[in-house]
Amino acid sequence: EDQVTQSPEALRLQEGESSSLNCSYTVSGLRGLFWYRQDPGKGPEFLFTLYSAGEEKEKERLKATLTKKESFLHITAPKPEDSATYLCAQQETSGSRLTFGEGTQLTVNP
Amino acid sequence: DAGVTQSPTHLIKTRGQQVTLRCSPKSGHDTVSWYQQALGQGPQFIFQYYEEEERQRGNFPDRFSGHQFPNYSSELNVNALLLGDSALYLCASSHREIKGYTFGSGTRLTVV
Repeated sequence: EDQVTQSPEALRLQEGESSSLNCSYTVSGLRGLFWYRQDPGKGPEFLFTLYSAGEEKEKERLKATLTKKESFLHITAPKPEDSATYLCAQQETSGSRLTFGEGTQLTVNP
Repeated sequence: DAGVTQSPTHLIKTRGQQVTLRCSPKSGHDTVSWYQQALGQGPQFIFQYYEEEERQRGNFPDRFSGHQFPNYSSELNVNALLLGDSALYLCASSHREIKGYTFGSGTRLTVV
C-alpha cells in the first residue's frame, strides 16, 4: 500500500532557527506532491504542489523541494506564527485521491 | 469569494445513530472529496464525487455513504455510528482540470 512518512513527528525551534521537514513517499507514478499547513481545529491550508524531481517552490520563509522519493520543506528564520502542523500528501497518476502523512507539529518559540 | 463551507461545525451523536454532514464547494469547483482525520493523524480519504457519482473510494465500510447534488454540494452520511467514528471530517473541493484542492474547516464529530 502506498504510504507517506513524515519526520520528525514534532519539532521545536527558536525564532530565527532554520530547519527542514522531511516527507518520504512511495508511489511510483507521482501526479503531485502536496504540502499543507494545518492550525488546530482548522482544515489544511494549501502551500505548494510539486510535480517532478528537481522542482522547487518558495513562499515567504518556506521553500519546498522534490526528489524521486522525498520532499523537503525548508523553513528559513521561522517566526512564532509559523507554528502549526505541516502535512504532505502524494497524489498518484492513476487517481486523484491524496494520501497524507501524519504530519510534523512545528513549534517556534519567541 | 467563499471557500469551502461545511456544516455543522460541531456535532455530538450517540452510538448507533446516523449523521449527515454537508459541504458547499468553492465557487468554480465541481469535484468534492471527503476525508476523516482522527486526532493527531493525517487525513484519510473516504471518497470523491464528480458529476453526482462516486468516482473513487478509500478503505471505509459501507456505513459511510455520500451524495453530490446538481449544484456540486455534497453530503456525507454515516450510519450505525461507532465510538471510533469520532473525528474531524474534512471536505475538499477541486476542479477536474486543476490539481489543487481547497479544504473546508471541517465538522468535528463526537460519538458518545
